[in-house]
Amino acid sequence: KNEVEQSPQNLTAQEGEFITINCSYSVGISALHWLQQHPGGGIVSLFMLSSGKKKHGRLIATINIQEKHSSLHITASHPRDSAVYICAVRPDTASKLTFGTGTRLQVTL
Amino acid sequence: DAGVIQSPRHEVTEMGQEVTLRCKPISGHNSLFWYRQTMMRGLELLIYFNNNVPIDDSGMPEDRFSAKMPNASFSTLKIQPSEPRDSAVYFCASSLERDFQETQYFGPGTRLLVL
Repeated sequence: KNEVEQSPQNLTAQEGEFITINCSYSVGISALHWLQQHPGGGIVSLFMLSSGKKKHGRLIATINIQEKHSSLHITASHPRDSAVYICAVRPDTASKLTFGTGTRLQVTL
Repeated sequence: DAGVIQSPRHEVTEMGQEVTLRCKPISGHNSLFWYRQTMMRGLELLIYFNNNVPIDDSGMPEDRFSAKMPNASFSTLKIQPSEPRDSAVYFCASSLERDFQETQYFGPGTRLLVL
C-alpha cells in the first residue's frame, strides 16, 4: 500500500463545476504539498500545508492532521485547470517527500 | 527572476553513453533537489543539496548516477553509462530551506530518452 493515496485517479468535469481531489496518507507528517503538472509537463507548487486551510484564487486546500487527509478544491472550474494534481507529504520521520500518483483532471466546455 | 533553469530540455542518447543534466537554481535559494518522473513510478526524489552539500542521496538508483553542486548557482546530474530504463523526465527544484516545509520551485524538466 502506498503511503500516499489520491482519489479519484481521473476526473472529468464541465466548466463551472466545483471539484474536489482527495489525498490520504498513512504516516505522521510535518507538511503536505499540492502540486499541479500542466499537460506540457511543467510542475507548479500550489500549496504547502501543515494545518488548517489555505486559499489562492479559486483554489482551496484543507488538511485534517488527525484524519491524515487533505483535499484540494477548485471552484468555478475552467478548462485551463486541466492538469494532473499531485499530493506529496513530508513524513515526520524522514526528511524527504513521498508523492501520490496524481489525479488527472479534465475540464470541458 | 528567471526561475529554475534546466538544460538540455530534451536529450536522446544511445545506451552506454554518458548523460549530463544541468540545473541553475533560483538565486538566493539554498536547497536544490533532483527528481525523476516515470509513468511507472511517478515522481521520485533522487538527491538533494543544502548549501551545496549533498544531504540525502538515498534515492539515487545506483552507482551509475552521480550529482554535484560545485557552487550555489549550478548543479549537475550525471548518468554513466546510461541504460534504456533511465528514460524519464528529470526535474530540478530549488527552495529557501532544506526540510521540505517550504515551497519548492520546479524547473521545466529534461526529457531523457535512452535508446
